[in-house]
Amino acid sequence: EVQLVESGGGLVQPGGSLRLSCAASGFTFRSYWMHWVRQAPGKGLVWVSRINRDGSSTSYADSVKGRFTISRDNAKNALYLQMNSLRADDTAIYYCARDKDWVMFDYWGQGTLVTVSS
Amino acid sequence: QSVLTQPPSASGTPGQRVTISCSGSSSIIGNENVYWYQQRSGAAPKLLIYKNDQRPSGVPDRFSGSKSGTSASLAISGLRSEDEADYYCAAWDNSLTGPVFGGGTKLTVL
Repeated sequence: EVQLVESGGGLVQPGGSLRLSCAASGFTFRSYWMHWVRQAPGKGLVWVSRINRDGSSTSYADSVKGRFTISRDNAKNALYLQMNSLRADDTAIYYCARDKDWVMFDYWGQGTLVTVSS
Repeated sequence: QSVLTQPPSASGTPGQRVTISCSGSSSIIGNENVYWYQQRSGAAPKLLIYKNDQRPSGVPDRFSGSKSGTSASLAISGLRSEDEADYYCAAWDNSLTGPVFGGGTKLTVL
């Protein structure tokens, strides 16, 4: 059974940092591109970042470029999102998602909540 | 403000057919496939339609997708109470080098 389990969310002050993790199981992790998608409270889905199969190619939404870094460890079946210089508008549930084919996110994690507040 | 425009809300009674629209541009939707996601309250999104009109296994055939020009639609026939959810369209945005989601449509089953 495919499973994606996020962790690492929590309360952080503006300007602070947080590292999210996504533990993957039930499939060959290294064969898939992976994404982070976030959802602010009561708002819609917003794409954050993506990474290719071996981690050599990444891209980011303009709102997080230069502050967030996506990475992966295929040996550990894990996806990461390092978030620096956090702002209040980064407050959201962060989901990791498996990319079967471009925008075809066929499996999602349950999400981890990041709250940026003083 | 998303580049994919959806109505904020839609509603229907059990058994009815409802459609949700998603309007984009020639560079988004016009040249790209459209995907639809369902998100029930408190849950993670779920893939509903891929590549405009394809249903993943396990998705009932009450759900169907279509695309014409720079717009796409999700149709739900035989509406059921469990269909009450938020629905999002999505497509690849080459200018973003990533996917873009519509603002979402909240479907209420009356």
